[in-house]
Amino acid sequence: AQTVTQSQPEMSVQEAETVTLSCTYDTSESDYYLFWYKQPPSRQMILVIRQEAYKQQNATENRFSVNFQKAAKSFSLKISDSQLGDAAMYFCAYRRYNNNDMRFGAGTRLTVKP
Amino acid sequence: NAGVTQTPKFRILKIGQSMTLQCTQDMNHNYMYWYRQDPGMGLKLIYYSVGAGITDKGEVPNGYNVSRSTTEDFPLRLELAAPSQTSVYFCASSYKRGNTGELFFGEGSRLTVL
Repeated sequence: AQTVTQSQPEMSVQEAETVTLSCTYDTSESDYYLFWYKQPPSRQMILVIRQEAYKQQNATENRFSVNFQKAAKSFSLKISDSQLGDAAMYFCAYRRYNNNDMRFGAGTRLTVKP
Repeated sequence: NAGVTQTPKFRILKIGQSMTLQCTQDMNHNYMYWYRQDPGMGLKLIYYSVGAGITDKGEVPNGYNVSRSTTEDFPLRLELAAPSQTSVYFCASSYKRGNTGELFFGEGSRLTVL
């Protein structure tokens, strides 16, 4: 079974600074997707960034980027120039290509200090 | 553009009562899902559906039932509610296998069983 591990229950960052959230996963598959979702206090799950395993280039979306290490099964999220609105729970998720189930980590609560 | 809509957003049930969480999507997605999120945990899959008339169990299906009579709707039925079913429930949908792989989520329904 595929599992997703987020080893940091809580993280804190100063506004305008950079923070990295860690995620590791366990799989024997070669084709899959990895995601970071943001969940603010409103509870809405918002897709932050997506990575396809066959792509060697790390995904970026404005201030958000990932460090995807396929051999190490690691998928960290870097948030640059942190803003107060980035404060939320962040979930790492894995989905095998052509599979119906998305597996989530337990989440990391990010606090942004003004 | 409504996306995925869940109702109700909040509900308190007594032990042994039954209720249905409604979910509808207007994106013509084939795949629909129900997840639950317990405090401090990631999301766990309850049931999913790959199309009208087809449903299957996820990781934590006990105590729940689903049906999929149309592409748009995927209600989740709780029979004989128990305190262990106190959770936040998320409905989600996605395109067919492959594509972008991401799930589109509703805003969640907080259920408390007393």
